[in-house]
Amino acid sequence: QVQLVESGGGVVQPGRSLRLSCAASGFTFTNYAIHWVRQAPGKGLEWVAVISYNGFNKYYADSAKGRFTISRDNSKNTIDLLMSILRPDDTAVYYCVRGGAVAGRYWGQGTLVTVSS
Amino acid sequence: QSVLTQPPSASGTPGQRVTISCSGSSSNIGSNTVNWYQQVPGTAPKLLIYRNHQRPSGVPDRFSGSKSGTSASLAISGLQSEDEADYYCAAWDDSLNGPVVFGGGTKLTVL
Repeated sequence: QVQLVESGGGVVQPGRSLRLSCAASGFTFTNYAIHWVRQAPGKGLEWVAVISYNGFNKYYADSAKGRFTISRDNSKNTIDLLMSILRPDDTAVYYCVRGGAVAGRYWGQGTLVTVSS
Repeated sequence: QSVLTQPPSASGTPGQRVTISCSGSSSNIGSNTVNWYQQVPGTAPKLLIYRNHQRPSGVPDRFSGSKSGTSASLAISGLQSEDEADYYCAAWDDSLNGPVVFGGGTKLTVL
């Protein structure tokens, strides 16, 4: 069965960095783009970034441009989101989401990032 | 402020039919397909509708989607108590907004 498992969340001080990871299984990883979507406490969903199936194309939300970097390791079936210069408004649950023809069909359980001093 | 506009709330009684709207523009809904998600608080979103009106396996046919121009709608017929949740629309966007944009979400209450 398709599984996406996020890890790496936690409490981090403003201005610091944090790396999130998403481990994928149960499908042919190299066939799918992967997205990161976040949700601040009590707020709606916000798309963050996407990486193409081969890692060649990457796109970011304006809120992430210049601070976040998405990458993938197709030999390990993992996707990373390196977040730098973190701000309190980056506090959210971060989900990895499988793309493809039925984009959004599979989501991870999410990992909570809290940016606070 | 979200790129796609949804009403913040909707309600209905059991058995009733409820619709939730999602308004966008020519760069997103007007030129791309729409997905709808259901989210029970504390859980990950669940895909209800993709490509405007397609249902993934396992989603009851009580849920249906449609699109016209730069707007889309989600309809829930035979409303049940377990349908109480937050609902989000999403679409690809061809402008600098994108490439993916979400609506602000609609909280559905079953009275």
